[in-house]
Amino acid sequence: DTGVSQNPRHKITKRGQNVTFRCDPISEHNRLYWYRQTLGQGPEFLTYFQNEAQLEKSRLLSDRFSAERPKGSFSTLEIQRTEQGDSAMYLCASSLGGGDEKLFFGSGTQLSVL
Amino acid sequence: DQQVKQNSPSLSVQEGRISILNCDYTNSMFDYFLWYKKYPAEGPTFLISISSIKDKNEDGRFTVFLNKSAKHLSLHIVPSQPGDSAVYFCAAKGDSGTYKYIFGTGTRLKVLA
Repeated sequence: DTGVSQNPRHKITKRGQNVTFRCDPISEHNRLYWYRQTLGQGPEFLTYFQNEAQLEKSRLLSDRFSAERPKGSFSTLEIQRTEQGDSAMYLCASSLGGGDEKLFFGSGTQLSVL
Repeated sequence: DQQVKQNSPSLSVQEGRISILNCDYTNSMFDYFLWYKKYPAEGPTFLISISSIKDKNEDGRFTVFLNKSAKHLSLHIVPSQPGDSAVYFCAAKGDSGTYKYIFGTGTRLKVLA
């Protein structure tokens, strides 16, 4: 068990570019979550998956954001046409489910949009 | 609309004493609560959880208390150690088939040696 893995750890991009982040959850964990955190705030929910199904998506998430979890394993989060307001730490978490609802987080991807 | 609130942005405690971190929530349908510790540039680390059917859960130096009538939970750390200095977040999950967690804004704990 290597924990939740996120890549890259840091991403610097120019405004208007597309970026993609990857998350590998703890194996056998059924649920996978994406959160975003900015300085001085708590993690803000973006979306979550149960296996490969995306069950809930935040209303705050614009159409520029899309997440996938093909085959119910790893997940990707893509941001199209990045804006400076997208600069944040993007956190991935997973949980076993089936009554065990603890979330385990990865180290996050720090995005800076210039 | 902040459904989970941590009204103390910071707290300083002497090493060896008790640290008490508080969290209030507004949604009576929340049924599961988590506490996390976070260091800079790292993801949150799970500390302890409590279900709404309980009013206390203990794990080593960490104890969480839940007061459903007051919609309040607290995390007690005894004894506090300098390594406990971090930002602490509480999180709550509602029922009705959602597994989305809502986090508070955090409390920065500083344990003084």
